[in-house]
Amino acid sequence: ETGVTQTPRHLVMGMTNKKSLKCEQHLGHNAMYWYKQSAKKPLELMFVYSLEERVENNSVPSRFSPECPNSSHLFLHLHTLQPEDSALYLCASSQDKWSTGELFFGEGSRLTVL
Amino acid sequence: EDQVTQSPEALRLQEGESSSLNCSYTVSGLRGLFWYRQDPGKGPEFLFTLYSAGEEKEKERLKATLTKKESFLHITAPKPEDSATYLCAPETSYDKVIFGPGTSLSVIP
Repeated sequence: ETGVTQTPRHLVMGMTNKKSLKCEQHLGHNAMYWYKQSAKKPLELMFVYSLEERVENNSVPSRFSPECPNSSHLFLHLHTLQPEDSALYLCASSQDKWSTGELFFGEGSRLTVL
Repeated sequence: EDQVTQSPEALRLQEGESSSLNCSYTVSGLRGLFWYRQDPGKGPEFLFTLYSAGEEKEKERLKATLTKKESFLHITAPKPEDSATYLCAPETSYDKVIFGPGTSLSVIP
């Protein structure tokens, strides 16, 4: 495996379900990110982790809960989501947080909330 | 307030027809500006970093330039495989990267 891998690629869930998105980076980077990409809207930064410590949380609702157990893995736990949370969720990594613009993205997890 | 706009929203070109995409920004203290390419259903792919006005970067048929208020992505003699959405993202002096809405480019054979 190379680069940044995300699973699952597609997820359909009801509003009462609990699911998790997984991201793994094989680049030896120290920072990892979750972004949300909705139709017709720019990429929105959700969370930033640097050396496994959460350093940024952009006013994201508590129904999204990130977890970073080590510098290679990042999870996004989902519970009681709303239909407007349907979007492409992108994981990214960078060498360190101070190179935030040069990001390496995964292919994303397409989430549909019914 | 930090803002990024990109124009046009969508662009259709004939193969070989050169053009430019625009990224206009108003941010607090620009630290750098990044260009990405995104194919449908995939994550963005990093293309270029520009740090100062007057700087230019090239990669195959793409050339990115930067002024104090804008960046341009010039596409010379495009091919169908250049079809994608191109995103610009300035980084502010307080380490915030703001993505623009993108320009969707279609190159017709």
